[in-house]
Amino acid sequence: DAGVTQSPTHLIKTRGQQVTLRCSPKSGHDTVSWYQQALGQGPQFIFQYYEEEERQRGNFPDRFSGHQFPNYSSELNVNALLLGDSALYLCASSLAQVRSYGYTFGSGTRLTVV
Amino acid sequence: GDSVTQMEGPVTLSEEAFLTINCTYTATGYPSLFWYVQYPGEGLQLLLKATKADDKGSNKGFEATYRKETTSFHLEKGSVQVSDSAVYFCALRSETSGSRLTFGEGTQLTVNP
Repeated sequence: DAGVTQSPTHLIKTRGQQVTLRCSPKSGHDTVSWYQQALGQGPQFIFQYYEEEERQRGNFPDRFSGHQFPNYSSELNVNALLLGDSALYLCASSLAQVRSYGYTFGSGTRLTVV
Repeated sequence: GDSVTQMEGPVTLSEEAFLTINCTYTATGYPSLFWYVQYPGEGLQLLLKATKADDKGSNKGFEATYRKETTSFHLEKGSVQVSDSAVYFCALRSETSGSRLTFGEGTQLTVNP
């Protein structure tokens, strides 16, 4: 049973560029959340998608946007990249009906902005 | 708002030593509490969880008890191994936060042979 799959694993971009990160949730999961983990810190919630809509959003600017597809996979888009966007981006999937369930996380995409 | 505070790290222990990593939280109502582990170069893995007061989560020799009176969820293991070296994150999901997980800063554990 495949877990959460993220691509690419590493990415280097230049300031001002745009980037798209991709996530396939664990089989049977219908909800995808994205987190940003800066070096040496805990993950910070960006947003969550369920039924192809953004359901909840953390304290991130509009440069961060996303999408969920009918097969539950998701994309995270970041526009006008800043040096401070360099981080590990984690995707987590879950089943919406099970509130007490801990998310299943992917291995992340390491984004470096130069 | 919700918050999680972990003991300051890093923590360095010898193999077979006793481990405690402190975690306290602030949240409304009765949150669900989690411990996640992150090995070098990897994502987060759920280590254990507890969903109501006095619940004890356990996995791979690790334990943590949900203490509502002290708003704590300390992680313990009786005898650590070199393979336990990783970063440990305490997290919560509160009744008012929707599906968002709030994480602590993480505690780096290094176990020496």
